[in-house]
Amino acid sequence: DTAVSQTPKYLVTQMGNDKSIKCEQNLGHDTMYWYKQDSKKFLKIMFSYNNKELIINETVPNRFSPKSPDKAHLNLHINSLELGDSAVYFCASSQDDSSDYGYTFGSGTRLTVV
Amino acid sequence: AQSVAQPEDQVNVAEGNPLTVKCTYSVSGNPYLFWYVQYPNRGLQFLLKYITGDNLVKGSYGFEAEFNKSQTSFHLKKPSALVSDSALYFCAVEPRGYNKLIFGAGTRLAVHP
Repeated sequence: DTAVSQTPKYLVTQMGNDKSIKCEQNLGHDTMYWYKQDSKKFLKIMFSYNNKELIINETVPNRFSPKSPDKAHLNLHINSLELGDSAVYFCASSQDDSSDYGYTFGSGTRLTVV
Repeated sequence: AQSVAQPEDQVNVAEGNPLTVKCTYSVSGNPYLFWYVQYPNRGLQFLLKYITGDNLVKGSYGFEAEFNKSQTSFHLKKPSALVSDSALYFCAVEPRGYNKLIFGAGTRLAVHP
């Protein structure tokens, strides 16, 4: 009954390959996100979707393409992987109202490009 | 530019002593303020959130945070630290009307027995 689940947990791939990371939330939240955590642990938003519509795209290269088939899913597809894409990618979700809770994060996908 | 500063890379404290992890922010308006904790090879866990009202917010695992509007600070506190509190702590802000979190660089808390 994991609230925000992402797969795979680990992903090792060669430069130039295309890969996808999947995310699902069972919280009924309206908005989903992708965050990137670099090697120095710095976290930065990449995308946000509200009810399947793209809301935020933080100057992420076009090689990254999010897709939201429904409100509960937000997948991240990456084309032509580069060494610099190595990072931990976190999916998250939130509700629109000013609830006492914050964003709920998945456990992360560690992507290593070799 | 909107930003969040955590001035200490690491905070060391003895078990049983009080702890403070500092956070200041530069965001216009009245943003929502958050603290998250990250244990090794884990995701981020929500600790607490400030929306409005009382300047002292109580959260999970005995943590609390003090909001100071004039200093634009939101420091995380705990009266008595545990070794199991050792982790990476992130302060974050959500500008009102924007569905996104802006994170600080993180502070590593080390609690020694």
